[in-house]
Amino acid sequence: AQRVTQPEKLLSVFKGAPVELKCNYSYSGSPELFWYVQYSRQRLQLLLRHISRESIKGFTADLNKGETSFHLKKPFAQEEDSAMYYCALSTTGFQKLVFGTGTRLLVSP
Amino acid sequence: GAGVSQSPSNKVTEKGKDVELRCDPISGHTALYWYRQSLGQGLEFLIYFQGNSAPDKSGLPSDRFSAERTGGSVSTLTIQRTQQEDSAVYLCASSEWSYEQYFGPGTRLTVT
Repeated sequence: AQRVTQPEKLLSVFKGAPVELKCNYSYSGSPELFWYVQYSRQRLQLLLRHISRESIKGFTADLNKGETSFHLKKPFAQEEDSAMYYCALSTTGFQKLVFGTGTRLLVSP
Repeated sequence: GAGVSQSPSNKVTEKGKDVELRCDPISGHTALYWYRQSLGQGLEFLIYFQGNSAPDKSGLPSDRFSAERTGGSVSTLTIQRTQQEDSAVYLCASSEWSYEQYFGPGTRLTVT
């Protein structure tokens, strides 16, 4: 069965500091990995997907199949990055997403 | 255009009662998903509708849970004989086939 693990419930950093939100997955095939974000009082929305290989709002994530990881990184955190971040996996495109438990990122001034 | 809408936004019910949660997907989206977010848990897949195909019900936790999608649009998630462990935020999402899922605001269900 597929599983996504986000080991940190809370990550607290100061503005301008680098950020890395960890995500590990278990799946024997070739998954698609995603990061979703939920800002306060807003809906869950897609931040980025690994096959796009793009940077959104300064965030990047690289799929490491050897380590089965898909960590989310940003070199300089901003206060507006404070939100709940969920890593998700799919075995068939966007269908049936399997989510991690989420990491709350708090960026302090 | 309008996004995914869900109603009610909050529902408080007594243990043992039945509840219905509604989802209005984005017009034209063929796929519709229900997820559940319990306290301290990640989002848990419940059920998936795609066009006229039989729904994927593999995530429904028990036979007290059911869902239907009428006319390929609006969906209703029904929970019969609610239990306290059913308390959660129920999220609906829709997408064009297998493309990006757009989420609704959720329905917060509290079973007392």
